[in-house]
Amino acid sequence: EAQVTQNPRYLITVTGKKLTVTCSQNMNHEYMSWYRQDPGLGLRQIYYSMNVEVTDKGDVPEGYKVSRKEKRNFPLILESPSPNQTSLYFCATREQGPVKTQYFGPGTRLLVL
Amino acid sequence: AQTVTQSQPEMSVQEAETVTLSCTYDTSESNYYLFWYKQPPSRQMILVIRQEAYKQQNATENRFSVNFQKAAKSFSLKISDSQLGDTAMYFCAFMRGMASGSARQLTFGSGTQLTVLP
Repeated sequence: EAQVTQNPRYLITVTGKKLTVTCSQNMNHEYMSWYRQDPGLGLRQIYYSMNVEVTDKGDVPEGYKVSRKEKRNFPLILESPSPNQTSLYFCATREQGPVKTQYFGPGTRLLVL
Repeated sequence: AQTVTQSQPEMSVQEAETVTLSCTYDTSESNYYLFWYKQPPSRQMILVIRQEAYKQQNATENRFSVNFQKAAKSFSLKISDSQLGDTAMYFCAFMRGMASGSARQLTFGSGTQLTVLP
């Protein structure tokens, strides 16, 4: 079964405590990305990766890092979380080339106190 | 830069009736794709329907259809025979077509919360 998994699904943390949200896919997709969803703003892209070791900034990259050491994994790293990073985060994947369906993970709800 | 606008933050419809959700977009591209995603209370993002800009025929998926007006840059979603399970947030999204050297991301609207009333 095609899957995009994210962990954790829910996280409460405190300002400044480094955290990582993992994303894993079993569809062998080259393209992976991270979005955050905030009320009234829809989903905004944070970072994306077109393949292993190739990452680039999306629309709202400040305060985030990513890495792509393996094709299936694309973790999102918050080195020093702040309350304005409280949000719902989605990982998404799709194939390269002519437009294919984008598959979303189940979401990670993050609260930074 | 592309923008996507959904001007209806909330809508409601009686079960079994038809409802239309509006979406407009702004782009200078000629080749692009448009999508409607559904987000139920579970927060999962589910693709409802997609439209290629080069196709004149409006896309249809069972009870879901779109009215794609390329000149007006409008992309509305019609849901026929609404069901309680259609209650969700609906997002309109835009993606540029193939362009060398550029990755293509989805640009989302702010969403429309649809409630289907029994």
